[in-house]
Amino acid sequence: SAVISQKPSRDICQRGTSLTIQCQVDSQVTMMFWYRQQPGQSLTLIATANQGSEATYESGFVIDKFPISRPNLTFSTLTVSNMSPEDSSIYLCSVEPWTSGRSSYNEQFFGPGTRLTVL
Amino acid sequence: AQKITQTQPGMFVQEKEAVTLDCTYDTSDQSYGLFWYKQPSSGEMIFLIYQGSYDEQNATEGRYSLNFQKARKSANLVISASQLGDSAMYFCAMRERTGGGADGLTFGKGTHLIIQP
Repeated sequence: SAVISQKPSRDICQRGTSLTIQCQVDSQVTMMFWYRQQPGQSLTLIATANQGSEATYESGFVIDKFPISRPNLTFSTLTVSNMSPEDSSIYLCSVEPWTSGRSSYNEQFFGPGTRLTVL
Repeated sequence: AQKITQTQPGMFVQEKEAVTLDCTYDTSDQSYGLFWYKQPSSGEMIFLIYQGSYDEQNATEGRYSLNFQKARKSANLVISASQLGDSAMYFCAMRERTGGGADGLTFGKGTHLIIQP
């Protein structure tokens, strides 16, 4: 497994501002993913953060609103830009750990999440 | 059409009874994976079990087993001897391998399981 930390754990932000969420993994991983969980809802994939290349965004999510960085194999950030109350959600990063020198297809572990409230 | 369908929004079960949480999926891929996660009230996502589309045997992990019926596109989670600590949201998810690379997961809406003493 992989140990994943996220910062901040929670935040309350004002409308129109931006928040950058950090995701740190204790080991190198190839694939990192960002998800959103709106209140009382399931998880929705925002994007796949690839090291050394641009993130791949899912339908309904755009880079201008959710810019992502992946500077190395253990770290990624997600920025929620120009926030509105509709962005109030839990944001989670997840990773696909390495096993025996390659990415493990049968596991995906989640960080503890960042609980964001936008006023 | 939904890719992952969980038809039980909520379930009440007596402690020590076995529980089956339903999950059906929709994909045209031959290679895919099915996951179950537990989310307690604390909000963390806990990985429970995985079933690959080519796995011939049903996956098991301790008290968790996955009843995989490929022809019916069904991947039900079975929890044996339920405990009070099993009370949580349970999500079924699928990964489809497209474009030669791994993709993220598509989640169902979840089942809220409550274990009663």
